[in-house]
Amino acid sequence: DAGVTQSPTHLIKTRGQQVTLRCSPKSGHDTVSWYQQALGQGPQFIFQYYEEEERQRGNFPDRFSGHQFPNYSSELNVNALLLGDSALYLCASSLTAGYTFGSGTRLTVV
Amino acid sequence: RKEVEQDPGPFNVPEGATVAFNCTYSNSASQSFFWYRQDCRKEPKLLMSVYSSGNEDGRFTAQLNRASQYISLLIRDSKLSDSATYLCVVGNSGGSNYKLTFGKGTLLTVNP
Repeated sequence: DAGVTQSPTHLIKTRGQQVTLRCSPKSGHDTVSWYQQALGQGPQFIFQYYEEEERQRGNFPDRFSGHQFPNYSSELNVNALLLGDSALYLCASSLTAGYTFGSGTRLTVV
Repeated sequence: RKEVEQDPGPFNVPEGATVAFNCTYSNSASQSFFWYRQDCRKEPKLLMSVYSSGNEDGRFTAQLNRASQYISLLIRDSKLSDSATYLCVVGNSGGSNYKLTFGKGTLLTVNP
């Protein structure tokens, strides 16, 4: 049984570009949450998707947007990248309260 | 005030030492509490849930004090393999929504 799968594992983007990160949830999970973890910090909640709708959102600007598909997979989009967006982006899937994290996408903005 | 605050660390201890991590949370309506472990450049992994009655898993003991909104983790007889960042995590539900809030983490290095 596959856990949470994220792609790509690493990428480098230039300031001002746009990026899309992808997440496939654990089998049977219907909710996807995205977190940003900057170096030396704990993961910060970006938003959560359930039934293809954004259900909760953390304190992140509108440059951060997402989507959930009918198969529960999800995308995180970040527009107009800033150097400060460099971080590990974690996807977690859940069914009620049990979270499973993916191994993350490490984004570097240069 | 941050939602979840932890000892800033880092902690450097010799093998065999006992080490304690402390954490406070600000939302008195929080419902669930956890300690996660995160190895360098890896994803966080659940170490243990924390209950008001306290719970123990081998060398690890977790305690929750709801009145003082305080969570602790005690590691006895530290091993080299315990070296990692320990994250205090609080679960909150608003209606049908459930969200985890993480502390900043405390880095532990166990030295030979």
